[in-house]
Parts: sequence; structure tokens; C-alpha cells
Amino acid sequence: KNEVEQSPQNLTAQEGEFITINCSYSVGISALHWLQQHPGGGIVSLFMLSSGKKKHGRLIATINIQEKHSSLHITASHPRDSAVYICAVTRLPKLIFGTGTRLQVFP
Amino acid sequence: DGGITQSPKYLFRKEGQNVTLSCEQNLNHDAMYWYRQDPGQGLRLIYYSQIVNDFQKGDIAEGYSVSREKKESFPLTVTSAQKNPTAFYLCASSFSRGTGETQYFGPGTRLLVL
Repeated sequence: KNEVEQSPQNLTAQEGEFITINCSYSVGISALHWLQQHPGGGIVSLFMLSSGKKKHGRLIATINIQEKHSSLHITASHPRDSAVYICAVTRLPKLIFGTGTRLQVFP
Repeated sequence: DGGITQSPKYLFRKEGQNVTLSCEQNLNHDAMYWYRQDPGQGLRLIYYSQIVNDFQKGDIAEGYSVSREKKESFPLTVTSAQKNPTAFYLCASSFSRGTGETQYFGPGTRLLVL
């Protein structure tokens, strides 16, 4: 069993829909990261959080440390949000990555 | 503009050949990392470096070598001992290896075996 599990693996949505991607982990961590990987392969860090909730534009990330669970929400989804979203946890000395959720948003 | 650059974007390796992937950053970051990405798998750590002239093996270091002679540069050599090198390679950096540091990623190099 992977130490970081994401669901769903694939997700399709119509433009404007509310999106939720989930991440569960089984190890003790010091922080959790949400990353975005576009079709060209480059990765951008979206959020780093160790408690509570963070918001940036239409993106919201939450974490529940007791339940070892995090969610990434996208409000009013747009085709440009189509990408692979990756959850990673900091377990020193390294990051442990989930396998990613592929999101496609259609107009 | 500050950031991380990787070159080349695509690299072809012949059997028995060593190839070197370049990674340069101008973010003044102390820590640098190399990851390998295979389809259907999460990124896996190959090597990391916390400071110049020091580096540590990650989870899948066999068949790879690195150097850290300058703060800005962390090249990765894929040696002939790496029997399955076809993958997407990502370099990253962070200000330090303190708790929960955000890592900044380069655009990646796709390595293919001829």
C-alpha cells in the first residue's frame, strides 16, 4: 500500500463545476504539498500546509491532521485547470509523492 | 527571472553510454534534488544535496551519479549501469531542507533509449 493515496485517479468535469481531489496518507508528516503538473511536464507548487485551510484564487486546500487527510478543491473549474494534481508529504528527509489525479475540464 | 532550468528537453541514450542531464538554479537555494517520474508512479528521489560539495543517495540512486561543485548547479549522470533509464527526470530546489520547505521544479528532461 502506498504511503500517499490519491482519489480519484482520473476526473472529468464540465466547465464551471466544483472539483474535489482527495489525498490520504499513512505516515507522520511535517507538511503536505499540492502540486500541479501540466501536459508539458513542468510542475508548479500550489500549496504547502501543515494545518487548517489555504486559499489562492479559485483553489482551496484543506488538511485534517488527525484523520491524515487533505482535499484540494477547485471552484468554477475552467479548461485551463486541466492538469495532473499531485499530493506530496514531507517526511524528513524527503518528500513522498502520490501518483496524481488527472483532471480534464471540458468547455 | 529567477528559476530552475534543465537541459536538454529531450535526450537520447545509446546502449552502454553515459549521459548527463543539466540542472541550474538562480534562486540562491541551498538544497537541490533529482527525481525520476515513470507512468503510473509517483516521483521518486534519486539524489539530493543540502550544500555545496555534499550529496546523499535517495531511494533509487543505483546507476546514477551526481556532483555539486557550485551552489547553482547539480548535474545528474545516468550511467550505463542504469538498465532502465527511460523516464522523465525532474530537478528541484528549495531554500533549505528544513521542515516542509516548498520545492521549486524545473521543466524536466525526457530520456529515451535508442
